[in-house]
Amino acid sequence: AQSVAQPEDQVNVAEGNPLTVKCTYSVSGNPYLFWYVQYPNRGLQFLLKYITGDNLVKGSYGFEAEFNKSQTSFHLKKPSALVSDSALYFCAVRDIGQAGTALIFGKGTTLSVSS
Amino acid sequence: DAGVIQSPRHEVTEMGQEVTLRCKPISGHDYLFWYRQTMMRGLELLIYFNNNVPIDDSGMPEDRFSAKMPNASFSTLKIQPSEPRDSAVYFCASSLSSRYSYEQYFGPGTRLTVT
Repeated sequence: AQSVAQPEDQVNVAEGNPLTVKCTYSVSGNPYLFWYVQYPNRGLQFLLKYITGDNLVKGSYGFEAEFNKSQTSFHLKKPSALVSDSALYFCAVRDIGQAGTALIFGKGTTLSVSS
Repeated sequence: DAGVIQSPRHEVTEMGQEVTLRCKPISGHDYLFWYRQTMMRGLELLIYFNNNVPIDDSGMPEDRFSAKMPNASFSTLKIQPSEPRDSAVYFCASSLSSRYSYEQYFGPGTRLTVT
């Protein structure tokens, strides 16, 4: 069965420092991986995805993610964190069961960026 | 594009009452998803539709929950009778199926409080 794990409930980083939010996955076949962000009292917003191609994927708001097949990881990164990046971040993987279109979400990681 | 539209944004009701949540997906999208989010259980997929047909309702918690999609522009999630444990934020999301696209776009959510 497909699954994703976000091993950290919370990540704290100072503004201007690089940030990493971790995600590992377990899938049969080629993984389709996604990152979403949720700001308070808002719906989830799509940040970026990996389907195929370059292992480094660039997305919205200066975020990027690195796909590592050998480590089955898809960590979200940003070179310089902003206070406004503080939010809840979800990693997701495509569920290839049924019609193969649903996404399986991790439990989320709260990112807190201090000024 | 207006994005996914949900109504109402907030709903407060008494235990035993019927609750109906509404969703308008992004025009042209052929998949529609209903999720529930709580602090305790995180983000849960309840049901999803493809071309107005329910594909997987295994996440629907009980028979008190039902969902319909009478046409491509509208879906409802109904809870009857409602219970306090149904209090949560309910999200609707839609996506367009294609070979390299599986990202879902979320609405702002309906915050349901059952007293």
